Amino acid sequence: QLTQSPSSLSASVGDRVTITCRASQDISILLAWYHQMPGKVPRPLISAASTLEGGVPSRFSGSGSETNFTLTISSLQPDDFGTYYCQQLNSPPFTFGPGTKVDIK
Amino acid sequence: QVHLVQSGAELKKPGASVKVSCKASGFTMLNYGFAWVRQAPGQGLEWMGWINTSNGRANYAPKFQGRVTVTTDTSTTTAFMELRGLRPDDTSVYYCATLAPAVLDNWGQGTLVTVSS
Repeated sequence: QLTQSPSSLSASVGDRVTITCRASQDISILLAWYHQMPGKVPRPLISAASTLEGGVPSRFSGSGSETNFTLTISSLQPDDFGTYYCQQLNSPPFTFGPGTKVDIK
Repeated sequence: QVHLVQSGAELKKPGASVKVSCKASGFTMLNYGFAWVRQAPGQGLEWMGWINTSNGRANYAPKFQGRVTVTTDTSTTTAFMELRGLRPDDTSVYYCATLAPAVLDNWGQGTLVTVSS
C-alpha cells in the first residue's frame, strides 16, 4: 500500500515543490512517478525511484528507497499543474498512490 | 516509436461484458508486458492486472480476479482486456500501457466504458 503527502498543494511559479510517497513495506527502488493533467493520459516522469524518463524536464527529480520516496520539482512551471501519482512495481498488484493534486497559485 | 491505440468508447448495460483492444506498433511486442489501469470519473488510477507477452501468463489485482481476462495476440500485435459482470461503478476510462522494468512507459489514449441501464 502506498500513501502520498500532501494530498493537494498550491504553489507559485518558480517554487520548489516536494511530494512524498510512502510504502507499507520495503519495495527497494521499484517506484515510478506519473503526472496527469485533467482529461489527459498519465505521463511517466521517473522510473526506478530516480531515473528520469525520456523527454522529461530536468527540473523533475526523484529520490528514495525501501519505504520512503520523494518527487521534487525544482522550479514549478505553469504546465506542471495536475495530479502526481506514485506506483510501486515491486510485487503485484502494482498499486498506485492516491495522488497529489498540484494547483498553480 | 512506440504507439498504443485503443478501441473506441463503449456503452454497456449492467451485467454485460466489455472487451477493450490495444493495438501496438513501433516495437517488438514480445519484449514487453502489457498492463491495464482504469480511472473512474474524478478518481485516481487503479491497477487491474498485466500479462507477460512472452509466456502468456497474466496476473490480476484481487479486486478483479475472476471477472477480468487480459490476453495478447502477437499476430496482430494487439492486447485485450475483457471485463465481465459490469456494474455501474465500473464506469471508467480504461488504459493499456507497456510494462517496462519499474515503470509503465507507454500508454494508450484510454477507452471510456460507461455502464448504465
